[in-house]
Amino acid sequence: DQQVKQNSPSLSVQEGRISILNCDYTNSMFDYFLWYKKYPAEGPTFLISISSIKDKNEDGRFTVFLNKSAKHLSLHIVPSQPGDSAVYFCAATLYNNNDMRFGAGTRLTVKP
Amino acid sequence: ETGVTQSPTHLIKTRGQQVTLRCSSQSGHNTVSWYQQALGQGPQFIFQYYREEENGRGNFPPRFSGLQFPNYSSELNVNALELDDSALYLCASSLGSGLAGDWATDTQYFGPGTRLTVL
Repeated sequence: DQQVKQNSPSLSVQEGRISILNCDYTNSMFDYFLWYKKYPAEGPTFLISISSIKDKNEDGRFTVFLNKSAKHLSLHIVPSQPGDSAVYFCAATLYNNNDMRFGAGTRLTVKP
Repeated sequence: ETGVTQSPTHLIKTRGQQVTLRCSSQSGHNTVSWYQQALGQGPQFIFQYYREEENGRGNFPPRFSGLQFPNYSSELNVNALELDDSALYLCASSLGSGLAGDWATDTQYFGPGTRLTVL
């Protein structure tokens, strides 16, 4: 039962432009959402998170938006840099349950 | 502060065998979680240990078991291996308070994973 979906397996953008990665979820009870970045041969690294009581969280070039009514999450990277090229996973969880659910990932390529 | 390490990097086993995967958490991290990542999918939660006790389990059968040791190392054991067990196995450590409400916001630090192939 795949409760978190990333429908775009890949995304390619030009350096300096905006990257928008999308994520949809089905469980309206999720309290907390996270984005992870993964480089080849490395484990995922935490990027940014957002609580269900908020609709936006910003950290430097990275902003996460949450639309609870649409059960949709997005990550905006502005401006995109070649070093941002990686696989991005969105994840969702409940505060009282440590079973974190991940999407299948989106491979972002930022071209110089 | 050292990162999270896992061993071995790669492993090949045959169906029916048993395997032990190892993880070394960051010093001071009381919580370790294990994930299975099949090809083309995201990580799937197997279980979590907090101070050497299992603290939650995903939808995995009992032949997946674990241990956590006081020296911040842990093991994932899989018995009676099946072909579908072929995957990347990730461990992730976090500071951990043991409180359910804190777990979600506690940053997890992932190791690079062990690639298991079952033939």
